[in-house]
Amino acid sequence: KQEVTQIPAALSVPEGENLVLNCSFTDSAIYNLQWFRQDPGKGLTSLLLIQSSQREQTSGRLNASLDKSSGRSTLYIAASQPGDSATYLCAVAYSGAGSYQLTFGKGTKLSVIP
Amino acid sequence: ETGVTQSPTHLIKTRGQQVTLRCSSQSGHNTVSWYQQALGQGPQFIFQYYREEENGRGNFPPRFSGLQFPNYSSELNVNALELDDSALYLCASSFDPRGSYYGYTFGSGTRLTVV
Repeated sequence: KQEVTQIPAALSVPEGENLVLNCSFTDSAIYNLQWFRQDPGKGLTSLLLIQSSQREQTSGRLNASLDKSSGRSTLYIAASQPGDSATYLCAVAYSGAGSYQLTFGKGTKLSVIP
Repeated sequence: ETGVTQSPTHLIKTRGQQVTLRCSSQSGHNTVSWYQQALGQGPQFIFQYYREEENGRGNFPPRFSGLQFPNYSSELNVNALELDDSALYLCASSFDPRGSYYGYTFGSGTRLTVV
């Protein structure tokens, strides 16, 4: 059974700081990994998608890396802004019990203090 | 290009009732997956529909059922509602069941409260 863990559960940083969010997963037989952002009570916004054959993806101030063999991914946010405050979810796509599905971590709640 | 839309946005039901949630997939997507997100938790996979057939199911009882229509939109039905069914229900669409090229696109969710 695939399990995804995100550390830390919560993080508070001053504006302008660079930060790293961590994600680990137990089964390396994944198709891809997605990082999502979720604002309170809202749906999920996809930030970055890394295919299993890739090592990293970048979008603006965001950079995500993937080490499939060790079951780890990191999301790096540069020059954080108050608008980055949200919960960040890591999800791996894999085939479990004959179905294709995403398995999510519980998320990291980020607060960026002005 | 429209994204994934879900309706209604909020819903309050009484224990024992039945509910239907709706999802319109993003243009060009033929696969719809449903997730349940309890407060403070990550989303949990309910089931997936591909070309109008159920294409996999998570650890949810049979009172959770679904449909996919020829236009690839989908419904989630929950019978005999329980208090623990209170959650945010998320719909995701993709170009294929594996989310191969562009991953999964999520809607804004339906907040269901069972009282």
